[in-house]
Amino acid sequence: DIQMTQSPSSLSASVGDRVTITCRASQSISSYLNWYQQKPGKAPKLLIYAASSLQSGVPSRFSGSGSGTDFTLTISSLQPEDFATYYCQQSYSTAITFGQGTRLEIK
Amino acid sequence: QVQLVQSGAEVKKPGASVKVSCKASGYTFTSYGISWVRQAPGQGLEWMGWISAYNGNTNYAQKLQGRVTMTTDTSTSTAYMELRSLRSDDTAVYYCARRYCSGGSCYWRDYYMDVWGKGTTVTVSS
Repeated sequence: DIQMTQSPSSLSASVGDRVTITCRASQSISSYLNWYQQKPGKAPKLLIYAASSLQSGVPSRFSGSGSGTDFTLTISSLQPEDFATYYCQQSYSTAITFGQGTRLEIK
Repeated sequence: QVQLVQSGAEVKKPGASVKVSCKASGYTFTSYGISWVRQAPGQGLEWMGWISAYNGNTNYAQKLQGRVTMTTDTSTSTAYMELRSLRSDDTAVYYCARRYCSGGSCYWRDYYMDVWGKGTTVTVSS
């Protein structure tokens, strides 16, 4: 299976900060990379698909980039509602895999 | 609006089976598939597999092969996930999600999970 490794595993930041989360695949996955946000006790929510396409209804402060093995999710100006756990997920392989998650906490 | 409504929480004994349902509304059910993802307490997301609501084709995670069966009932727009021979490490929240792609003609890699159910808690305990 393709391993997806996110860094950092946790991150403390303040409202208004610019935050970047990285996701690295164990082999090239082209642009078949999606990002999800999950808040405690809630289902995941799709933010970004195909590495850089913003899902309808998601604020434009979220953006994604990358291809091959290295990807980033950037939040340009953190809002209080953005504190959550973020997961990357690859769909390149028939065996879909997620990263381990990045917990974004309030500083 | 597109919605997936899952069945309620279950408590099962080790060795038993569980069947979770996921009723879709707000779109043509047979146009997209349903993926299943689970999350053990305090852990990350684990993909279990998906089923095409169009033709019933399935793709299961290798670690669950032989224990999991995904089906659909197109007459009620409902997907089902059955997991057998339950163990304590199957205790988790089980999510269904629509397997969607935005293009008119999608390659199998283009699909992603755009709408999720609220989850069904399955507890396996003796």
